[in-house]
Amino acid sequence: DVKVTQSSRYLVKRTGEKVFLECVQDMDHENMFWYRQDPGLGLRLIYFSYDVKMKEKGDIPEGYSVSREKKERFSLILESASTNQTSMYLCASSSPGTTDTQYFGPGTRLTVL
Amino acid sequence: LAKTTQPISMDSYEGQEVNITCSHNNIATNDYITWYQQFPSQGPRFIIQGYKTKVTNEVASLFIPADRKSSTLSLPRVSLSDTAVYYCLVGEGSARQLTFGSGTQLTVLP
Repeated sequence: DVKVTQSSRYLVKRTGEKVFLECVQDMDHENMFWYRQDPGLGLRLIYFSYDVKMKEKGDIPEGYSVSREKKERFSLILESASTNQTSMYLCASSSPGTTDTQYFGPGTRLTVL
Repeated sequence: LAKTTQPISMDSYEGQEVNITCSHNNIATNDYITWYQQFPSQGPRFIIQGYKTKVTNEVASLFIPADRKSSTLSLPRVSLSDTAVYYCLVGEGSARQLTFGSGTQLTVLP
């Protein structure tokens, strides 16, 4: 089975802190994604990466950056956390050539105080 | 990316068959239709995918009419554990960008 793991299930940070969310997948997938999920807004794509050191902006990249130094690991960085970044963050991975099949991690619920 | 429309919520009783319809009028020739399931506090999970006609797996069936402007996810004999949000997505096979709508909250009642 494909496994996507995220470093924390719950995280509480203060406004202005730098926050790192880590995601690791074990299926040698080229594509990796970061989403945030908010009530009533569904899942929104923040960034995605289709290769090591490659990244593309999704629908809501403002306030976020990403890092993909190794194929299995994709990090989401909040340079200076703000309260409006309180959300559920979901990581996913997929293999190119498959048809829209993404495997999701369990999510990190981030609260920024 | 094709936009999808699906009901916000549905209720059903245990043992019934549930059909959730999704409309996607602007579906493109290369687009596939994919359904995901999400339980509270978990990431979405792939259920089924199709391009045309009917697809069936151990979890669900997917019916797609010839014009492909809509699709119907069918869950046979639902149980309480099928209570979840179900998302319909339409996209091409690059597996790069998916657009999740608000989904359909299915509540299965005893």
